[in-house]
Amino acid sequence: EMVMTQSPATLSVSPGERATLSCRASQSVSSNLAWYQQKPGQAPRLLIYGASTRATGIPARFSGSGSGTEFTLTISSLQSEDFAVYYCQQYNNWPPSYTFGQGTKLEIK
Amino acid sequence: QVQLVESGGGVVQPGRSLRLSCAASGFTFSSYALHWVRQAPGKGLEWVAVISYDGSDKYYADSVKGRFTISRDHSKNTLYLQMNSLTSEDTAAYYCAKVPAQTVGVRNYFDYWGQGTLVTVSS
Repeated sequence: EMVMTQSPATLSVSPGERATLSCRASQSVSSNLAWYQQKPGQAPRLLIYGASTRATGIPARFSGSGSGTEFTLTISSLQSEDFAVYYCQQYNNWPPSYTFGQGTKLEIK
Repeated sequence: QVQLVESGGGVVQPGRSLRLSCAASGFTFSSYALHWVRQAPGKGLEWVAVISYDGSDKYYADSVKGRFTISRDHSKNTLYLQMNSLTSEDTAAYYCAKVPAQTVGVRNYFDYWGQGTLVTVSS
């Protein structure tokens, strides 16, 4: 069973600072990893796919890295609108299970 | 622009059934695989089911296998989720989501989401 583990569960950062979020897969997912942002009362929004490719319209301050089992989402200079919950999701294994991590809540320090 | 609009949620008693719909527009409906993803109140995201572009391949999460059925109607540009034998564990917002791929598996990340429909299973 594929398990995706995100850390930390909650991250407190000041606006303008850098935030680094981690996602670990229990087995290799190659680069088949996506990141999503979800704000209260809203659907998730795709940020990153293929571990490092920004989705259409996503600001350059969002970047993704990693492959295999270790992945990172970095937000270089936090804006007020970036405080939200972030999820990673793998789309590599077979039969498909499309596992999400449990989420990291990014809050204002 | 791509739009996905879910409907059919509501309050249902344990053991009963419910059918969710997702009306799609703004893209060629018959060319993409589609998914259902759910989120229990205050919890994280859980993938539920996927159907390929032509309906030939369907996969389900273990938690819903044998109880839920995903289907699509190309004449109506609509995705469905038939949910039977509902339990309190199925209480969640249900989202339909599109992927930029025809088939199940590769490139199955969710590029567009609906706004969700809430299902509450309670007596």
